[in-house]
Amino acid sequence: LAKTTQPISMDSYEGQEVNITCSHNNIATNDYITWYQQFPSQGPRFIIQGYKTKVTNEVASLFIPADRKSSTLSLPRVSLSDTAVYYCLLRNQGGKLIFGQGTELSVKP
Amino acid sequence: SAVISQKPSRDICQRGTSLTIQCQVDSQVTMMFWYRQQPGQSLTLIATANQGSEATYESGFVIDKFPISRPNLTFSTLTVSNMSPEDSSIYLCSVVMTGEQGYNEQFFGPGTRLTVL
Repeated sequence: LAKTTQPISMDSYEGQEVNITCSHNNIATNDYITWYQQFPSQGPRFIIQGYKTKVTNEVASLFIPADRKSSTLSLPRVSLSDTAVYYCLLRNQGGKLIFGQGTELSVKP
Repeated sequence: SAVISQKPSRDICQRGTSLTIQCQVDSQVTMMFWYRQQPGQSLTLIATANQGSEATYESGFVIDKFPISRPNLTFSTLTVSNMSPEDSSIYLCSVVMTGEQGYNEQFFGPGTRLTVL
């Protein structure tokens, strides 16, 4: 499965917009880009998934350029409760997820 | 979405012993996986639990150490055998189901926190 690369950690303050970029240069045609969030002592939770262009839901937006070699997860107006690890992953329909290192986001007051 | 429960939620075990972790899903699922998350690390896929046949293990994991059962489409067990302190981890069960947005999502259980002394 293609590898993803993302920053190890990021810091932000409450109310700010946070953008986490992920690189996936070897993405396959049938791969979808999916993002998960994990709080301490909990299993990962699905945030958003996309194939190309932009996807938005009640939690986040996902921006994917035309070449699909990268993607950006955007969290609007973060709060302290958004402090978590965020994982960028590639999956094909029905396929297993292979986790990379993830980005540890710390939101400060 | 799927409701996934795991038993036990945590345990402290002596080295050399074995622990069996149960995963129960509230609906039938085709694909079920077991992951391990060591302290401060990301998740590592152990194996795919196949219903009615032997599990498919990832590189670095073997059946003798992590035997898996999948007797039906809602239940699976993972056994951590002959434990050592290096097996101290959170073990997570995961399934693939259609999510609220209409495509396949992978859902995770709450995990089993294992400490081996």
